[in-house]
Amino acid sequence: DAGITQSPRHKVTETGTPVTLRCHQTENHRYMYWYRQDPGHGLRLIHYSYGVKDTDKGEVSDGYSVSRSKTEDFLLTLESATSSQTSVYFCAIRGPGDNSPLHFGNGTRLTVT
Amino acid sequence: AQKVTQAQTEISVVEKEDVTLDCVYETRDTTYYLFWYKQPPSGELVFLIRRNSFDEQNEISGRYSWNFQKSTSSFNFTITASQVVDSAVYFCALSEAGGAGSYQLTFGKGTKLSVIP
Repeated sequence: DAGITQSPRHKVTETGTPVTLRCHQTENHRYMYWYRQDPGHGLRLIHYSYGVKDTDKGEVSDGYSVSRSKTEDFLLTLESATSSQTSVYFCAIRGPGDNSPLHFGNGTRLTVT
Repeated sequence: AQKVTQAQTEISVVEKEDVTLDCVYETRDTTYYLFWYKQPPSGELVFLIRRNSFDEQNEISGRYSWNFQKSTSSFNFTITASQVVDSAVYFCALSEAGGAGSYQLTFGKGTKLSVIP
């Protein structure tokens, strides 16, 4: 299994509070991604990173920010959580090579009440 | 914009039946990659296969096979002699080039397969 750990695995928070999700990898891969999964929508890309301090927006980036200060850690922050951000969040990493697949962490289930 | 369509939202089959999951994609890129992932009830996402746009050979892996046809922009997945353990949500995905050599995957909405014993 690819060495990806997401924390926490579950979180319940209140509307308006900040939340940070962590993705940690032990593979030393350059590329890291945050996706959210919602019923009827499949997986949608929030942000991705192509190196330390190098990040870019995905399809559904509004309300989210990311940071990558070390190769192994990619943080996703909800500055002020809203109920629409209730979702399952997946982190993924990708190895070198154009055709390397993404390997996903086990997900974080976030509920915003 | 790239798009992946999995028209079958849910499929139910009886164990040992064959089942095909459809995937149709849209892209303007000449070089791209297609993927299938499995998400069992436990929730993790498991990589199954990757195909690049220059390789239209069908692939077989045990009971799984994939049919890639550029002419119809399809990348269909067939499970032969289905088993209860095949029950899962299956996602088709298409790569899209991003910044600095990265790519992102655009996912279909998934097909939920239920195999009934």
